Parts: sequence; structure tokens; C-alpha cells
Amino acid sequence: DAGVIQSPRHEVTEMGQEVTLRCKPISGHDYLFWYRQTMMRGLELLIYFNNNVPIDDSGMPEDRFSAKMPNASFSTLKIQPSEPRDSAVYFCASSIDTGTLGNQPQHFGDGTRLSIL
Amino acid sequence: RKEVEQDPGPFNVPEGATVAFNCTYSNSASQSFFWYRQDCRKEPKLLMSVYSSGNEDGRFTAQLNRASQYISLLIRDSKLSDSATYLCVVNPYSGAGSYQLTFGKGTKLSVIP
Repeated sequence: DAGVIQSPRHEVTEMGQEVTLRCKPISGHDYLFWYRQTMMRGLELLIYFNNNVPIDDSGMPEDRFSAKMPNASFSTLKIQPSEPRDSAVYFCASSIDTGTLGNQPQHFGDGTRLSIL
Repeated sequence: RKEVEQDPGPFNVPEGATVAFNCTYSNSASQSFFWYRQDCRKEPKLLMSVYSSGNEDGRFTAQLNRASQYISLLIRDSKLSDSATYLCVVNPYSGAGSYQLTFGKGTKLSVIP
């Protein structure tokens, strides 16, 4: 089975540019999560979706960040304009609701290593 | 107090040793607990869930102490391949359908030949 697929794997761009990160969750999974990981702050949840609907975006750092999920098999995280402090590894993860309260593991993609110069 | 706290390490242990990691969490209403493993420059992967009664998976034993709000992971007979960062993970919400996870910053383990 294909896992969570993210693209690109690496992105290097200059500050001020728009950055778009993409994610394809595991087929059949109804939850999708976007995380950011840095050495200083660890793994932070940015936003998550259930059945394509954003549930909690309180982790999104500021208005420069936006996320969409137009259908069950695709999501994007956009940063516009990008800044050097946005440099991090961005992970997408998905999970499935089987009715067991909160006890489902999340499956992560390989991540996108983003460097803003 | 941080939601999930771990000793960052590194823990440097010889092959065959037993090593234990602890983690504390701040929300007493938390319902679900996990240990994830993250290899260098890779994505986190689920190692094991942590159940109230404690559970074992081969050389790995996880325990939960709700009264003291801590979780532990014990690795017996350490292998070189166990070298990784171990992330303590908590679902801080008790509401149905709440699938947010809060990750600790991780404890780095290096198993030395």
C-alpha cells in the first residue's frame, strides 16, 4: 500500500517567494495533519482536517500560512510570502477513524525540507 | 509547564544494555499515549501504543502512570538499530473524534558497538 506522499522532498527558495507543499494521504484515511519540525520547537501541529474540513488551525503561525484540502486525496500548505524563519521540515500525516477514541496512530509522509534564504 | 516533556539525552549505551526513557505530560485528562521513533532525517513512525495496564512488544515495554502523569519506555538488549530519537506522544483531549497529538521533543538514543 502506498503511504502518505509529500512533494517536493526539498525546496530552497528566496524570502518573499510563495511556497506550496503538497500531500496525498493514505487512501481511505479521513484525517489529515500538517506538522512543522525544527530543532528548537520539535514537532508542532499546524492544522488538521477531517473529511476535507479544517477542524483546528490554531497552530498556524500567522496569516502567511494557509492550508486547503479540496478533496479526500489532496492537500496543500502554502506560505506567502515566505521568510527565513519558516525554514523547517514540514510533515503531512493521515489517520483513520475506526471509532476507538483517539487511539489511532498517524502515518507520516517523508516530509518536505524547506529552506528560505 | 510544557504539555509533554522528555529528557533530550543523548543516551549513549553499549549493545546489549537496558535503557529506560521517561516522559511527563501536563493534561490529566489525556486519554491516549504512544511512543514514536524517528530516525535521523526521516519521518516519525509509530513504535507502540501505551496502555493503562502496561504493554510489551518484544524487547520494548511501555508503562503508564496516570497518578504521576508519566509514561516510560524500556528497551532491553539494545541493538545498534535501536539508535534513533524516541518521541513521547499524547492525545491531550478526551472528546470523541479528537485526534490531535502532542509530541515531546524526543530523547536521542545512540547504541554503541
